[in-house]
Formats: sequence, C-alpha cells, structure tokens
Amino acid sequence: GDSVTQMEGPVTLSEEAFLTINCTYTATGYPSLFWYVQYPGEGLQLLLKATKADDKGSNKGFEATYRKETTSFHLEKGSVQVSDSAVYFCALSAPNTGNQFYFGTGTSLTVIP
Amino acid sequence: NAGVTQTPKFRILKIGQSMTLQCTQDMNHNYMYWYRQDPGMGLKLIYYSVGAGITDKGEVPNGYNVSRSTTEDFPLRLELAAPSQTSVYFCASSYPWGENTQYFGPGTRLTVL
Repeated sequence: GDSVTQMEGPVTLSEEAFLTINCTYTATGYPSLFWYVQYPGEGLQLLLKATKADDKGSNKGFEATYRKETTSFHLEKGSVQVSDSAVYFCALSAPNTGNQFYFGTGTSLTVIP
Repeated sequence: NAGVTQTPKFRILKIGQSMTLQCTQDMNHNYMYWYRQDPGMGLKLIYYSVGAGITDKGEVPNGYNVSRSTTEDFPLRLELAAPSQTSVYFCASSYPWGENTQYFGPGTRLTVL
C-alpha cells in the first residue's frame, strides 16, 4: 500500500546551518506530496506541497522537489532559525485511495542559537 | 475565519468512562478526518467521512465511533475509555479534489487513568 518513510530524528542544528530532512514514498498512482509542520502544543500546519513530478514547493525559505525517479520529496532550508524548531511531517495523498493522507513518523528539529 | 475547531483542549478520563470529542469546520469541506498521535509517533487515521451521512474506518478504528449529520460537524465518541486511548487527537478537513490540502484543528489531549 501507499506509505511514507521519513528520516529519523531528532535533529539538532546551530542557527544558520543547512537543513535536509529526507522523505521517500511508495504509491501506486500519482500522489500529491506535502510537508506539514507542528510547533509545540499546536496542530499540524501545511508548510508546502507539490502535486506533480518535478514540481517544487516552497514557503518560508523551505523547499522540496517532487522527484518521481527517486520517489523522494526531501525538505531543505539554506539557513535555519531558532523559530524553525518544530516537528516536520512528510505526507502523501493519492487519488486512487480516496485522497486519504499517509503521514511519515515525523522528524523533530531543534535549532540552537 | 475559525477553520477547524476542537473541544475540549484537555481531558482526563477514568477507565470505562465515555466522552465525545467535538470537531467543527467552517470551510464547507466535504472530507473530514480523525487522527490520533501517540508520543514520538506519526498520525494514525481513526475514521474519516466524505460527506454528511457517510463515514468509514481508517487504520485504528477499534474503541471509537463517529457520526456525520452535518457538513460542519464530525464528533468522535469513545464509549469505554482504556489507557491505550491516551493520546492527542486531531481533527482535519479537506476538499476531495483540486487543492486537497488537509487543515488541522489544534488537537485534544486525552489521558485515561
């Protein structure tokens, strides 16, 4: 079935460091791919998304490119800030499964000054 | 614009008690979902609904019930609370086509003692 595999955490970085969080997926159809962010004590918020191969989603300095050939959607940011400390979830939604969402296990990021 | 609202924010139950977690959305979304998030884990789908009067089981439905009498409301019922149901519960909603982004509520933290 459809699934998402996400890089294990936790990840600790210094401010202004480069961030990569890996995400790969398995899907039988043509899924949409998402990154959600969860700040402490809050619900999940959409960070960015891509709906077809080679699309790049971007928001708040974060980027991810939908790579069909490697079934990946890695999250990157060139210079992290303390305010980026949160849990990041990769997810997919596939039309052939009723648009159900499948989430990865989440990667906790802590950015230290 | 309120988005997805959930009540209560926190609740402590004794084993065997019952309760209903409320979820309301004001975006006229057809699809609504209930997830649980256990500590350090991703989200697991409990139940979902594709419209008023239509519900279906997700990955972990045992011990829960749902109903969908209106487009706006999607309550989750726990009949006989068990310690294994200690978790954070998130409600979400989305359109079924086009921009199928899921929008999440702030969550309900439930402890069963």
